[in-house]
Amino acid sequence: GENVEQHPSTLSVQEGDSAVIKCTYSDSASNYFPWYKQELGKGPQLIIDIRSNVGEKKDQRIAVTLNKTAKHFSLHITETQPEDSAVYFCAASIPSYDKVIFGPGTSLSVIP
Amino acid sequence: EAQVTQNPRYLITVTGKKLTVTCSQNMNHEYMSWYRQDPGLGLRQIYYSMNVEVTDKGDVPEGYKVSRKEKRNFPLILESPSPNQTSLYFCASSRGRGDNYGYTFGSGTRLTVV
Repeated sequence: GENVEQHPSTLSVQEGDSAVIKCTYSDSASNYFPWYKQELGKGPQLIIDIRSNVGEKKDQRIAVTLNKTAKHFSLHITETQPEDSAVYFCAASIPSYDKVIFGPGTSLSVIP
Repeated sequence: EAQVTQNPRYLITVTGKKLTVTCSQNMNHEYMSWYRQDPGLGLRQIYYSMNVEVTDKGDVPEGYKVSRKEKRNFPLILESPSPNQTSLYFCASSRGRGDNYGYTFGSGTRLTVV
């Protein structure tokens, strides 16, 4: 079955630096890759997603890249701010099961 | 405001006492799902529903029941809760297929079974 790995599990960066979180997936049929941000005491919130026909997508300080051949995708956050501190989850679709599988999460801390 | 509403936010119960966690969405979404979140295990799907009267098991359905009698509501039922069901639960909805659109999550229900 589909397996999604995510690295690193924890990440600390100085305010203003960039942060990169990487995920790999195993099912070559996966075609939808969302990213979620979960702040303390809240539910995950969709922040960006990418489909398999696109290699890169950007939304202000957040960008996601996808390498279908290598089966990996990454989240890039530039000019990090303290409010970016949260747990980030990647996910990959399983088309035959109408669902996505989530990675284990990355706890990002932005140090002022 | 578009949202998924879960109740209660916190619940402490005793082993074997039936309980229901409610979930309601106001976005006319077809797809709804329940997840549990445990340290080190991430988000695991319990049940999902593609539409009214259509439900299916996720990855960890044992000990849980769901129903989808109306499009907006998707309650999670624990007929006989056990301590291993102590967890943080999230309801989510999506405007289309669960594998092709982003989810809107509720704020979570923290359940403790003693």
